[in-house]
Parts: sequence; structure tokens; C-alpha cells
Amino acid sequence: DIVLTQSPGTLSLSPGERATLACRASQSVSSSYLAWYQLKPGQAPRLLIYGASSRATGIPDRFSGSGSGTDFTLTISRLEPEDFAVYFCQQYGSSPLYSFGQGTKLEIK
Amino acid sequence: EVQLVESGGGLVQPGGSLRLSCAASAFTVSSNYMTWVRQAPGKGLEWVSIIYSGGSTYNADSVKGRFTISRDNSKNTLYLQMNSLRAEDTAVYYCARVGVGGVYYFDYWGQGTLVTVSS
Repeated sequence: DIVLTQSPGTLSLSPGERATLACRASQSVSSSYLAWYQLKPGQAPRLLIYGASSRATGIPDRFSGSGSGTDFTLTISRLEPEDFAVYFCQQYGSSPLYSFGQGTKLEIK
Repeated sequence: EVQLVESGGGLVQPGGSLRLSCAASAFTVSSNYMTWVRQAPGKGLEWVSIIYSGGSTYNADSVKGRFTISRDNSKNTLYLQMNSLRAEDTAVYYCARVGVGGVYYFDYWGQGTLVTVSS
């Protein structure tokens, strides 16, 4: 089984700053199989990035994804107040079919 | 606008059963792959079950033999029948559509329904 480990667990930043969230896989993952999501309490999770670097429909260009192999990154170039949330990376594999990292909480400093 | 609305959550005793529903709009459930994902309190996301457009289904090992995913094409609705429920099944359950451009991600999600398994 591929395990995804996200870091840091909590990231405290101010609006306007740059956020860098990491997702490390225990084995190599195809870039096509790596996605990022945003979760806010009481809301539907939102797909941000798929294929490691492709923005989903309607996602602002301040969100970007990069990486390959075992190391992937979600970058938010300039934080807006609405960006403070929990972020999960996710991979598509064989067993289980889909797995997620444990999440990074992005909080206002 | 694509929309997914879950319902059916609630409090159930260990060993009990519950059926979750997910009503879809602006797309056809039967033409897409659909899935359930859950989030236990204070925990991360866990994939639970998937149904393919052809009708094949797969479950995570943690729910195999206890949960069944299905759909009603006439109602454009996805279901999750949960039997032999355990305390560790307590979670918010989300339905989601598997990405149309590729099966590797979930492009639309519902807001979730809370299932609490407790005596």
C-alpha cells in the first residue's frame, strides 16, 4: 500500500503570504494519479489540482501543484482569507484504490 | 450546475444498519463512476466504495462484506447500504463523482451526512 504523508500538520500564515504544502509518498506515484483537495467545515470538499499540476475548473491561479515520483507540493502564492482550510493530497492506486494524506491545516497567524 | 446532496445519516446502535442516499443533479449518475468517502472525527479522509458506470463495485477492506454501494437510475441517486455497523464507522460520509476526464480524482462532492454509531 502507498502511504501519503503530508507536512506540516499545521501551517500558520498571514493573508498575503505564500503557502507551501508537502505530500510525500512511500513509493513512486504517477503524476497523473495525484490530486489535492480543500476542506472547510460544513462545506463540500473541493478539487483543486489533479494530475499533480492541473488546476480544476474555477480554481484561481494562485493555486499551483508540482512534483513527481514521491514528492509533491501544493503552493498558494498569495493567501486570501478564504484559503484558510484543511488540505488533503490523494493518490490513485491498487490497494486501496484511492488513499489520502492525513491533511495539513492552514490557519491564520 | 453539478450538485450532490447526501441524506440518511443519523445515530445508530452498534450492529445496526443505515442507508445513505446521494441525489445528483445536472449529470447522470449511471453514466459516471461514483464513490463514497468518509472522514471520522478528527481524522483524515478514507475512501469507502466505488461503483463504475458498468455496474461493477469495489469496497475498501475496512467495509468489505458490510457495505454495499448501488444506484437507482430512475431517481439519479447513489446509495450506500451500511450493515453490521461499528463504532469506528462513525464519520461524515461524502458522495463524490469520479473525474470525467480521468478516474484518478473526484471532481464534485456533496456536503456530507454524519453517521454516529453508538449505544
